[in-house]
Amino acid sequence: EAGVAQSPRYKIIEKRQSVAFWCNPISGHATLYWYQQILGQGPKLLIQFQNNGVVDDSQLPKDRFSAERLKGVDSTLKIQPAKLEDSAVYLCASSTRGGRDTQYFGPGTRLTVL
Amino acid sequence: AQKITQTQPGMFVQEKEAVTLDCTYDTSDPSYGLFWYKQPSSGEMIFLIYQGSYDQQNATEGRYSLNFQKARKSANLVISASQLGDSAMYFCAMTGTDSWGKLQFGAGTQVVVTP
Repeated sequence: EAGVAQSPRYKIIEKRQSVAFWCNPISGHATLYWYQQILGQGPKLLIQFQNNGVVDDSQLPKDRFSAERLKGVDSTLKIQPAKLEDSAVYLCASSTRGGRDTQYFGPGTRLTVL
Repeated sequence: AQKITQTQPGMFVQEKEAVTLDCTYDTSDPSYGLFWYKQPSSGEMIFLIYQGSYDQQNATEGRYSLNFQKARKSANLVISASQLGDSAMYFCAMTGTDSWGKLQFGAGTQVVVTP
């Protein structure tokens, strides 16, 4: 069974530029999560989707971050415009139904904002 | 609100020895789940083991076991017979009824296994 796929693996941009990350969850997983992991810290949830609806986006900086999961499968996270403090690893995870179901993570996208 | 605390920033362990990674948590939710993940230098978070708050027995998965002490609110991970490939960052995380699905992570513990 294929795992969670993410692309790109690495991205370097200048501040005020825009960037987008893509995630394809494990087949059949209804719940998809985006986490931000700043160096030296544990991941922090940005947004959670159940199918194509948003369950929790309380920690998503909505003035610059947006995310969508239009067909209930793959998802895109966008940052526009990027700030220096957005430098982090962006991890996508998926689970069967949410709740206490185990979340399986992708390899992450390492973003550097100069 | 939930909180996860990992007080050991880093530790060294010799190959073939056992190591215990500490994790304490705080929640008012009677129903919650506790997870341990491993993050090698490659960056991917790898699921290791899960313990539900109502589970009567401590969880085990191969060389990993979870020492769950509910009254003390601790969920320590024990890795037996350490291998060089166990060198990684280890995160404790939890989710509860009021944060359904959202994982709250600790700060992590860096483990280095030496020959």
